[in-house]
Amino acid sequence: NAGVMQNPRHLVRRRGQEARLRCSPMKGHSHVYWYRQLPEEGLKFMVYLQKENIIDESGMPKERFSAEFPKEGPSILRIQQVVRGDSAAYFCASSPPTGEYEAFFGQGTRLTVV
Amino acid sequence: AQSVTQLGSHVSVSEGALVLLRCNYSSSVPPYLFWYVQYPNQGLQLLLKYTSAATLVKGINGFEAEFKKSETSFHLTKPSAHMSDAAEYFCAVSFSGGYNKLIFGAGTRLAVHP
Repeated sequence: NAGVMQNPRHLVRRRGQEARLRCSPMKGHSHVYWYRQLPEEGLKFMVYLQKENIIDESGMPKERFSAEFPKEGPSILRIQQVVRGDSAAYFCASSPPTGEYEAFFGQGTRLTVV
Repeated sequence: AQSVTQLGSHVSVSEGALVLLRCNYSSSVPPYLFWYVQYPNQGLQLLLKYTSAATLVKGINGFEAEFKKSETSFHLTKPSAHMSDAAEYFCAVSFSGGYNKLIFGAGTRLAVHP
Protein backbone atom coordinates (compact mmCIF):
# COMPACT_ATOMS: atom_id res chain seq x y z
CA ASN A 1 0.00 0.00 0.00
CA ALA A 2 1.69 3.13 -1.21
CA GLY A 3 1.81 6.01 1.20
CA VAL A 4 0.57 9.53 0.63
CA MET A 5 2.13 10.77 -2.59
CA GLN A 6 2.87 14.41 -3.17
CA ASN A 7 4.28 15.97 -6.28
CA PRO A 8 6.30 17.76 -7.16
CA ARG A 9 8.74 17.45 -4.25
CA HIS A 10 10.30 20.79 -5.12
CA LEU A 11 8.71 23.63 -7.02
CA VAL A 12 10.22 26.97 -7.98
CA ARG A 13 7.95 29.76 -9.13
CA ARG A 14 8.55 33.40 -9.96
CA ARG A 15 6.48 36.01 -8.20
CA GLY A 16 3.09 36.29 -9.85
CA GLN A 17 3.00 32.77 -11.25
CA GLU A 18 0.64 30.01 -10.17
CA ALA A 19 1.65 27.00 -8.10
CA ARG A 20 -0.22 23.70 -8.22
CA LEU A 21 0.54 21.10 -5.61
CA ARG A 22 -0.83 17.59 -5.90
CA CYS A 23 -1.64 15.00 -3.28
CA SER A 24 -2.75 11.42 -3.81
CA PRO A 25 -4.03 9.95 -0.53
CA MET A 26 -3.38 6.44 0.65
CA LYS A 27 -5.59 3.79 -0.87
CA GLY A 28 -8.92 3.68 0.91
CA HIS A 29 -8.51 7.15 2.44
CA SER A 30 -11.17 9.67 1.52
CA HIS A 31 -10.11 12.49 3.85
CA VAL A 32 -7.32 14.88 2.90
CA TYR A 33 -5.70 17.65 4.94
CA TRP A 34 -3.24 20.30 3.82
CA TYR A 35 -0.72 21.90 6.16
CA ARG A 36 1.89 24.59 5.64
CA GLN A 37 5.25 24.69 7.36
CA LEU A 38 7.09 27.98 7.29
CA PRO A 39 10.84 27.92 7.96
CA GLU A 40 11.66 27.17 11.59
CA GLU A 41 7.98 26.78 12.48
CA GLY A 42 5.54 24.00 13.13
CA LEU A 43 2.85 22.91 10.74
CA LYS A 44 -0.28 25.02 10.41
CA PHE A 45 -3.57 23.53 9.33
CA MET A 46 -4.93 24.96 6.10
CA VAL A 47 -7.87 22.92 4.83
CA TYR A 48 -9.70 19.63 5.25
CA LEU A 49 -11.46 18.02 2.30
CA GLN A 50 -13.48 14.96 1.56
CA LYS A 51 -14.25 13.84 -1.96
CA GLU A 52 -15.83 16.81 -3.79
CA ASN A 53 -16.36 18.71 -0.53
CA ILE A 54 -14.45 21.27 1.49
CA ILE A 55 -15.22 20.55 5.12
CA ASP A 56 -13.01 23.00 6.98
CA GLU A 57 -11.02 25.79 5.34
CA SER A 58 -10.47 27.84 8.45
CA GLY A 59 -6.69 27.93 7.93
CA MET A 60 -6.71 29.00 4.30
CA PRO A 61 -5.65 32.54 3.44
CA LYS A 62 -8.66 34.45 2.15
CA GLU A 63 -7.14 35.28 -1.20
CA ARG A 64 -5.11 33.45 -3.85
CA PHE A 65 -5.36 30.01 -2.19
CA SER A 66 -7.82 27.30 -3.15
CA ALA A 67 -8.09 23.55 -2.74
CA GLU A 68 -10.09 20.80 -4.30
CA PHE A 69 -10.46 17.05 -4.02
CA PRO A 70 -12.38 15.83 -7.07
CA LYS A 71 -14.23 12.57 -7.36
CA GLU A 72 -11.42 11.24 -9.51
CA GLY A 73 -7.78 12.17 -9.22
CA PRO A 74 -5.57 13.80 -6.62
CA SER A 75 -6.29 16.68 -4.32
CA ILE A 76 -4.91 19.98 -5.61
CA LEU A 77 -3.73 22.97 -3.61
CA ARG A 78 -3.57 25.97 -5.89
CA ILE A 79 -1.80 29.22 -5.13
CA GLN A 80 -2.36 32.04 -7.57
CA GLN A 81 -0.02 34.99 -8.05
CA VAL A 82 2.56 33.65 -5.65
CA VAL A 83 4.57 35.98 -3.45
CA ARG A 84 7.82 35.43 -1.58
CA GLY A 85 5.94 34.84 1.64
CA ASP A 86 4.33 31.73 0.13
CA SER A 87 7.71 29.99 0.19
CA ALA A 88 7.22 27.07 2.53
CA ALA A 89 6.83 23.32 2.73
CA TYR A 90 3.29 22.16 2.05
CA PHE A 91 2.27 18.82 3.49
CA CYS A 92 -0.69 16.70 2.68
CA ALA A 93 -2.10 14.09 5.03
CA SER A 94 -4.84 11.54 4.58
CA SER A 95 -6.95 9.42 6.86
CA PRO A 96 -9.63 6.75 6.50
CA PRO A 97 -13.28 7.76 6.52
CA THR A 98 -14.02 6.48 10.02
CA GLY A 99 -12.52 5.35 13.25
CA GLU A 100 -8.81 6.01 12.99
CA TYR A 101 -7.47 9.08 14.71
CA GLU A 102 -4.28 9.09 12.78
CA ALA A 103 -3.34 11.05 9.71
CA PHE A 104 -0.58 9.79 7.42
CA PHE A 105 1.66 12.43 5.91
CA GLY A 106 3.26 12.77 2.55
CA GLN A 107 6.84 13.96 2.10
CA GLY A 108 5.76 17.45 1.23
CA THR A 109 6.24 19.92 -1.58
CA ARG A 110 8.83 22.60 -0.98
CA LEU A 111 7.77 25.74 -2.76
CA THR A 112 10.32 28.45 -3.42
CA VAL A 113 9.18 31.75 -4.83
CA VAL A 114 11.93 33.77 -6.49
CA ALA B 1 -9.36 26.99 21.82
CA GLN B 2 -6.77 24.29 21.57
CA SER B 3 -3.06 24.90 21.56
CA VAL B 4 0.20 23.07 22.05
CA THR B 5 3.35 24.36 23.67
CA GLN B 6 6.67 22.63 23.32
CA LEU B 7 9.21 23.82 25.84
CA GLY B 8 12.64 24.16 24.34
CA SER B 9 13.10 24.64 20.63
CA HIS B 10 16.48 22.89 20.81
CA VAL B 11 17.53 20.01 23.03
CA SER B 12 20.97 18.44 23.02
CA VAL B 13 21.84 15.14 24.68
CA SER B 14 24.74 12.73 24.70
CA GLU B 15 24.42 9.37 23.05
CA GLY B 16 23.04 6.95 25.63
CA ALA B 17 21.48 9.68 27.76
CA LEU B 18 17.82 10.11 28.58
CA VAL B 19 15.74 12.02 26.06
CA LEU B 20 12.95 14.21 27.46
CA LEU B 21 10.94 16.44 25.15
CA ARG B 22 8.21 18.47 26.80
CA CYS B 23 4.72 19.11 25.52
CA ASN B 24 1.82 20.87 27.21
CA TYR B 25 -1.58 21.28 25.66
CA SER B 26 -4.67 23.33 26.14
CA SER B 27 -8.01 21.83 25.23
CA SER B 28 -11.57 22.37 26.34
CA VAL B 29 -12.58 18.86 25.31
CA PRO B 30 -10.86 15.51 25.77
CA PRO B 31 -7.84 15.58 23.51
CA TYR B 32 -6.13 13.12 21.30
CA LEU B 33 -2.38 13.64 21.46
CA PHE B 34 0.37 12.73 19.05
CA TRP B 35 4.12 12.89 18.66
CA TYR B 36 5.58 13.06 15.18
CA VAL B 37 9.20 12.99 14.05
CA GLN B 38 10.54 14.79 11.00
CA TYR B 39 13.93 14.06 9.48
CA PRO B 40 15.51 16.69 7.23
CA ASN B 41 13.56 17.27 4.03
CA GLN B 42 11.15 14.50 4.89
CA GLY B 43 7.52 14.26 5.86
CA LEU B 44 6.21 13.51 9.32
CA GLN B 45 6.24 10.05 10.80
CA LEU B 46 3.99 9.13 13.69
CA LEU B 47 5.90 8.05 16.79
CA LEU B 48 2.94 7.43 19.07
CA LYS B 49 -0.57 8.57 19.89
CA TYR B 50 -2.86 8.85 22.89
CA THR B 51 -6.57 8.33 22.20
CA SER B 52 -8.04 7.92 25.70
CA ALA B 53 -6.88 4.38 26.37
CA ALA B 54 -3.79 3.72 28.52
CA THR B 55 -2.12 6.89 29.76
CA LEU B 56 1.36 5.51 29.14
CA VAL B 57 1.80 5.10 25.45
CA LYS B 58 4.63 3.20 23.83
CA GLY B 59 5.69 4.09 20.33
CA ILE B 60 8.25 3.18 17.76
CA ASN B 61 12.03 3.38 18.12
CA GLY B 62 11.87 3.01 21.91
CA PHE B 63 9.94 6.21 22.57
CA GLU B 64 7.10 6.52 25.01
CA ALA B 65 4.92 9.29 26.39
CA GLU B 66 2.65 9.68 29.38
CA PHE B 67 -0.63 11.57 29.33
CA LYS B 68 -1.08 13.52 32.57
CA LYS B 69 -4.44 15.21 32.63
CA SER B 70 -3.76 17.10 35.87
CA GLU B 71 -0.65 18.66 34.34
CA THR B 72 -2.06 18.90 30.79
CA SER B 73 1.18 17.34 29.61
CA PHE B 74 2.27 14.68 27.16
CA HIS B 75 6.05 14.56 27.45
CA LEU B 76 8.08 12.29 25.19
CA THR B 77 10.88 10.18 26.61
CA LYS B 78 13.43 7.63 25.55
CA PRO B 79 15.79 6.00 28.06
CA SER B 80 18.87 5.98 25.84
CA ALA B 81 19.46 8.28 22.89
CA HIS B 82 20.92 7.05 19.62
CA MET B 83 22.61 9.19 17.02
CA SER B 84 19.81 8.28 14.63
CA ASP B 85 17.29 10.02 16.93
CA ALA B 86 18.57 13.43 15.82
CA ALA B 87 15.57 15.04 14.15
CA GLU B 88 12.75 17.49 14.77
CA TYR B 89 9.92 16.36 16.99
CA PHE B 90 6.40 17.75 16.93
CA CYS B 91 3.67 17.37 19.48
CA ALA B 92 0.13 17.72 18.16
CA VAL B 93 -3.43 17.65 19.48
CA SER B 94 -6.76 16.93 17.93
CA PHE B 95 -10.11 16.40 19.52
CA SER B 96 -12.99 13.98 19.34
CA GLY B 97 -14.95 16.17 16.96
CA GLY B 98 -15.03 13.66 14.21
CA TYR B 99 -11.98 14.39 12.13
CA ASN B 100 -8.22 14.58 12.38
CA LYS B 101 -7.45 18.28 12.24
CA LEU B 102 -4.15 18.56 14.04
CA ILE B 103 -2.85 21.53 16.01
CA PHE B 104 0.94 21.38 16.15
CA GLY B 105 3.50 22.74 18.52
CA ALA B 106 6.42 24.69 17.14
CA GLY B 107 8.72 21.69 17.33
CA THR B 108 11.83 20.68 19.22
CA ARG B 109 15.05 19.97 17.39
CA LEU B 110 16.93 17.13 19.07
CA ALA B 111 20.68 16.92 18.65
CA VAL B 112 22.58 13.83 19.81
CA HIS B 113 26.31 14.08 20.26
CA PRO B 114 28.84 11.31 20.84
